[in-house]
Amino acid sequence: GAVVSQHPSWVICKSGTSVKIECRSLDFQATTMFWYRQFPKQSLMLMATSNEGSKATYEQGVEKDKFLINHASLTLSTLTVTSAHPEDSSFYICSASPPEGAYGYTFGSGTRLTVV
Amino acid sequence: GESVGLHLPTLSVQEGDNSIINCAYSNSASDYFIWYKQESGKGPQFIIDIRSNMDKRQGQRVTVLLNKTVKHLSLQIAATQPGDSAVYFCAEDTSNDYKLSFGAGTTVTVRA
Repeated sequence: GAVVSQHPSWVICKSGTSVKIECRSLDFQATTMFWYRQFPKQSLMLMATSNEGSKATYEQGVEKDKFLINHASLTLSTLTVTSAHPEDSSFYICSASPPEGAYGYTFGSGTRLTVV
Repeated sequence: GESVGLHLPTLSVQEGDNSIINCAYSNSASDYFIWYKQESGKGPQFIIDIRSNMDKRQGQRVTVLLNKTVKHLSLQIAATQPGDSAVYFCAEDTSNDYKLSFGAGTTVTVRA
């Protein structure tokens, strides 16, 4: 149980375009989802908290107008990287608040974004 | 966890030996700690967790030790196998709100 699915697993886009990444909780409802970013050889850094039915909260230094988050249902959160630049190339990973009784926080499989 | 953005430390271990991976965490108020394994190109995979009211927890081939006095966490892997080769991260939930702060990670390489 508590499976988190992420799509796509990888995407290549041109500079200046926007890319949407989806995070779904497959077998449970998640009122809160989290978006992390991981650069090569580095650790995961929390970008933002996605709250169902309300605005996302962003960590310090993360541009909310560049990384648009929508959490329209209890099973889906999306992250849109707007006007992407090569420096946005990274591994983006989501997680979800676990269902009652679950242990550990499950992560999606990640999305490798390459901006060319 | 430890400062992020630093070069990941590495651990090379002979197949069959035990591995010990260490982590220093930052917030003395943190209540929940998790060890994750991350293989190349994949998301973190849950290994084992521990709450602050415990100092040891065992799973299958893995043991987590928590020393709150020095804010130190360790992961022990028994009889390390080639499939254990990966990057291992400790993570702490500093506010009991499911947001995690990750340590810098340790790359484990298992020698045949």
